[in-house]
Amino acid sequence: TQLLEQSPQFLSIQEGENLTVYCNSSSVFSSLQWYRQEPGEGPVLLVTVVTGGEVKKLKRLTFQFGDARKDSSLHITAAQPGDTGLYLCAGAYQAGYALNFGKGTSLLVTP
Amino acid sequence: DAGVIQSPRHEVTEMGQEVTLRCKPISGHNSLFWYRQTMMRGLELLIYFNNNVPIDDSGMPEDRFSAKMPNASFSTLKIQPSEPRDSAVYFCASSPSGRNEQFFGPGTRLTVL
Repeated sequence: TQLLEQSPQFLSIQEGENLTVYCNSSSVFSSLQWYRQEPGEGPVLLVTVVTGGEVKKLKRLTFQFGDARKDSSLHITAAQPGDTGLYLCAGAYQAGYALNFGKGTSLLVTP
Repeated sequence: DAGVIQSPRHEVTEMGQEVTLRCKPISGHNSLFWYRQTMMRGLELLIYFNNNVPIDDSGMPEDRFSAKMPNASFSTLKIQPSEPRDSAVYFCASSPSGRNEQFFGPGTRLTVL
C-alpha cells in the first residue's frame, strides 16, 4: 500500500497550459516536500512545506500544503517544455527521519 | 561544492554475480539513504544511516542485500548473488543533521541478465 498517492500518474499537455497535480495521504506529516526528476538523473528538491495551509511559490510553480497536513498540490502556470519530468512528493513524520515518497506524476510538456 | 557521487553509473552483470554500488555523500551531511527505483514500485527506501549507524533496514529486500558505511564519506550497497529482478536504478541520497531535505546522486542503473 502506497502511503502517498499521487495523481494523475501521467499528464501530457501543450506549452502554455496550466496544470495541477495532487499528493494525498491518510497520514499527517510534519513536513512535505516536492522533487522533480529528469530522465537519467536523481530527484532534485523543489520546495518544503511545513505549516498546514501554507502556500509557496517558485516562479510559475505554486505549492500548497493542506490544512490538516495530509495532502498537497502543485500548480504550474503556463507550462514550458523545461517543466517536463517526474514530480515526486515526499512526506516526513519527523525532521531527520526517512521520507515516504509517492510514485510520482510524469509530466510531458510539448511545444 | 560536489554533490552526492555514485559509482558506477551503469552496471551490467550476469545472474549470480556480486554487485557493489558505491556512494560518497555531501561533506558534512550525517544521514545517508539508499533507494531503488523501478517503474512498477517507484522510489523505495532500502536502508538509511545516521552518523554511519544503520537506523532502518526494513526496506532491504532480502539477505542478498547488504549495506555498510565504514566512515562519514563512504557507503556501499552490495547484492550477492544478483538476480534479474534486482534490475533497477539505485540512488544514494544524503541530508544534513536534523533536516528532511535530501540531496540525491545521479544513480546507478543496474541490469542483471
